[in-house]
Amino acid sequence: SQQGEEDPQALSIQEGENATMNCSYKTSINNLQWYRQNSGRGLVHLILIRSNEREKHSGRLRVTLDTSKKSSSLLITASRAADTASYFCATDVTSGGSYIPTFGRGTSLIVHP
Amino acid sequence: DSGVTQTPKHLITATGQRVTLRCSPRSGDLSVYWYQQSLDQGLQFLIQYYNGEERAKGNILERFSAQQFPDLHSELNLSSLELGDSALYFCASSVATGTSGGSPYNEQFFGPGTRLTVL
Repeated sequence: SQQGEEDPQALSIQEGENATMNCSYKTSINNLQWYRQNSGRGLVHLILIRSNEREKHSGRLRVTLDTSKKSSSLLITASRAADTASYFCATDVTSGGSYIPTFGRGTSLIVHP
Repeated sequence: DSGVTQTPKHLITATGQRVTLRCSPRSGDLSVYWYQQSLDQGLQFLIQYYNGEERAKGNILERFSAQQFPDLHSELNLSSLELGDSALYFCASSVATGTSGGSPYNEQFFGPGTRLTVL
């Protein structure tokens, strides 16, 4: 089963608008990461937030983490058509001394020019 | 370009066949992870190798196996293929496996994937 689940499954907005995606997870974590995937391509790492952090920024990206609610959000400000992609959150699950990133099903974002 | 390479890019084969997917990690990365991505299951972790040794196993079928060679490249072998094995297969690499305690997780770098179609 998935550790993290993104919401909404799909999001369609106009260029210039902000896009907010949410991720909920089930068990305690060390880190939470957000990745982006263009159609049929590999995932690209966007940002990592540690469990003791509440907010992190990277360019037009803002990530928040609420460990009490076991949730995170990814905000993309002033969206561009090039932001069209699927966005995944990944939480680390311990397995035999390794920390395995476990991905949700993703949010599909379409930004209309 | 992530620095992770995967071959082949596309693979079309028939049910019952066996295929091998290849992955070369980024220079200096010791960990290789394999993932399967399908429409109905999302991105599923299959298996991880670190410096030649298996470190973690996920939802990997018994028909599937993997190994990591001394030069750190990895191969994923899929046998007795079924229609449901059609998917995108990604490998990813990272610097290390992580350590117990602290914030162990390192960013993963994904390859472009191999699209497997089983007819």
